[in-house]
Amino acid sequence: QQQVKQSPQSLIVQKGGISIINCAYENTAFDYFPWYQQFPGKGPALLIAIRPDVSEKKEGRFTISFNKSAKQFSLHIMDSQPGDSATYFCAARGAGGYNKLIFGAGTRLAVHP
Amino acid sequence: NAGVTQTPKFRVLKTGQSMTLLCAQDMNHEYMYWYRQDPGMGLRLIHYSVGEGTTAKGEVPDGYNVSRLKKQNFLLGLESAAPSQTSVYFCASTPSRGGAQETQYFGPGTRLLVL
Repeated sequence: QQQVKQSPQSLIVQKGGISIINCAYENTAFDYFPWYQQFPGKGPALLIAIRPDVSEKKEGRFTISFNKSAKQFSLHIMDSQPGDSATYFCAARGAGGYNKLIFGAGTRLAVHP
Repeated sequence: NAGVTQTPKFRVLKTGQSMTLLCAQDMNHEYMYWYRQDPGMGLRLIHYSVGEGTTAKGEVPDGYNVSRLKKQNFLLGLESAAPSQTSVYFCASTPSRGGAQETQYFGPGTRLLVL
């Protein structure tokens, strides 16, 4: 039972283009939505995160757009670079405490030069 | 600071064998987690711990046991390995309070192959 649905599974973008990864959730009790970035052979690392009372958060070339009514959020990578090639996971934190996260299935991004 | 470290990096087991994966963190974090990562499945929580001497089940706990005898260490045990447990295992930790309390810090992973 996947409570956070992520799409697409894989994405190819040209250098300088915009990468967009989408996630949807059902549980309205989720209260925190992070994105993690994972390079091959490494553990995931926090990239950017948002709370449901904010519609957008931007950090450099990375932006999260959050639509509370639609229960959807997305990651936008502007001016994508080959160094952005990685797997991206969206996640959501449940109301049960202890910072437990439910992860999406992941998106493998390849940015071609 | 080494952050979160995992031992071993890679292991091959035969069906029915047992092993223990070790996770260590030097950040004095209260919360620790074990995940497994499988293609197309994302990261799924196996067990977690909110403090020394406490553990709890996550989403996929069957076939695994854990212990947290010391605050800095979180052990994941497989008593009788099965091919379905072939996966990459990640440990993570989080402080219970403070500015970084919502960030999970991950280790580099342990790749396990069960034949």
